[in-house]
Amino acid sequence: AQSVTQLDSQVPVFEEAPVELRCNYSSSVSVYLFWYVQYPNQGLQLLLKYLSGSTLVKGINGFEAEFNKSQTSFHLRKPSVHISDTAEYFCAVTRLSGGYQKVTFGTGTKLQVIP
Amino acid sequence: EAEVAQSPRYKITEKSQAVAFWCDPISGHATLYWYRQILGQGPELLVQFQDESVVDDSQLPKDRFSAERLKGVDSTLKIQPAELGDSAMYLCASSLVSGLDGYTFGSGTRLTVV
Repeated sequence: AQSVTQLDSQVPVFEEAPVELRCNYSSSVSVYLFWYVQYPNQGLQLLLKYLSGSTLVKGINGFEAEFNKSQTSFHLRKPSVHISDTAEYFCAVTRLSGGYQKVTFGTGTKLQVIP
Repeated sequence: EAEVAQSPRYKITEKSQAVAFWCDPISGHATLYWYRQILGQGPELLVQFQDESVVDDSQLPKDRFSAERLKGVDSTLKIQPAELGDSAMYLCASSLVSGLDGYTFGSGTRLTVV
């Protein structure tokens, strides 16, 4: 079985400050990791993904994430946030099962950017 | 940019009534997913299609929920009868077969059961 833990349900941060949203996963097999963003009353949009290779992954909107296998983490970071980054962020882990990818989403972290 | 189309955007229905949601995935995406997202939680998979075949419906409450993708393109999710606890956002997503490029989500249908 696999699971995803997003340790913070809400993260308030001032505009132009850096932010880190934490994600830890557990799985007995190799996994692939994703971050999605969800704006109010919208579907989820892919921010970035880690499949293999470099552990530092860059995504859209200036976000990046680092895969740490020893700590089973995939934290999302942005050096300077904007008001428009206010949204909910979901970490997701996927693994191959029965010939198909099975995805598990975390419970989400609401990022509140304060002017 | 290609989008996953969903309708309706909002639906209010009375308890015990039937309700249906429609999804049109991105052209060429063989895999289609229906997720339920309860307020304050992450999305939970209800059903996954590969072309017209169901490959995972282990979390679908089959006594009241049904899903079909007859021609392997668009899909319908039905609830009959609706219960108060079904109030949630229903999200459709699609992907290439592997799913490793990530999923493209529609804007969802917000269901309120009264």
